[in-house]
Amino acid sequence: AQTVTQSQPEMSVQEAETVTLSCTYDTSENNYYLFWYKQPPSRQMILVIRQEAYKQQNATENRFSVNFQKAAKSFSLKISDSQLGDTAMYFCAFEGQGGSEKLVFGKGMKLTVNP
Amino acid sequence: EPEVTQTPSHQVTQMGQEVILRCVPISNHLYFYWYRQILGQKVEFLVSFYNNEISEKSEIFDDQFSVERPDGSNFTLKIRSTKLEDSAMYFCASSVAPPFRNTGELFFGEGSRLTVL
Repeated sequence: AQTVTQSQPEMSVQEAETVTLSCTYDTSENNYYLFWYKQPPSRQMILVIRQEAYKQQNATENRFSVNFQKAAKSFSLKISDSQLGDTAMYFCAFEGQGGSEKLVFGKGMKLTVNP
Repeated sequence: EPEVTQTPSHQVTQMGQEVILRCVPISNHLYFYWYRQILGQKVEFLVSFYNNEISEKSEIFDDQFSVERPDGSNFTLKIRSTKLEDSAMYFCASSVAPPFRNTGELFFGEGSRLTVL
């Protein structure tokens, strides 16, 4: 069974700084997808970025980028130039290509961006 | 921008009562999901629904749970006889395609908090 671990329950960062959120996972599958979702306070969970395991290039979306280390089963999210609106819960999630449609989530991490 | 909407935002119920949580997915989406998060724990998959039937369910989704899409717009989760351990935030999600396809981004609702006393 796949597992996703986010070991840091909470972090804070100053506005404009860079922060890295860590995530590790465990799977025996070779092809899969990894996701970071963001849930601002009292708002919907939204997709921040996704990475396909067969792609070696790390995904980037504007200020958000990932460091995907397949051998180490690590998938960290880097937020550059942090903004107050980045304050949210961040969830790492995994989906295998074995035909299951479900996402396996980590516990989430609360990020606070301070002015 | 289209959104997944969920009602109620918070429901308090007595143990043993039936609860129905409602979701309105994005209109052109074909895949529908329920997830839940018990306080302090991981977001867990409950069930996926496609073409008017359950396509996958987890071991959590026992006979006390059911889903239906009664009118082509709503997607409901029913808990027949609630237990204390059903207290959680329940998230509905929908997508055009499953997550492992390129267009398969999940769109989540804000969640319905269920408190069972």
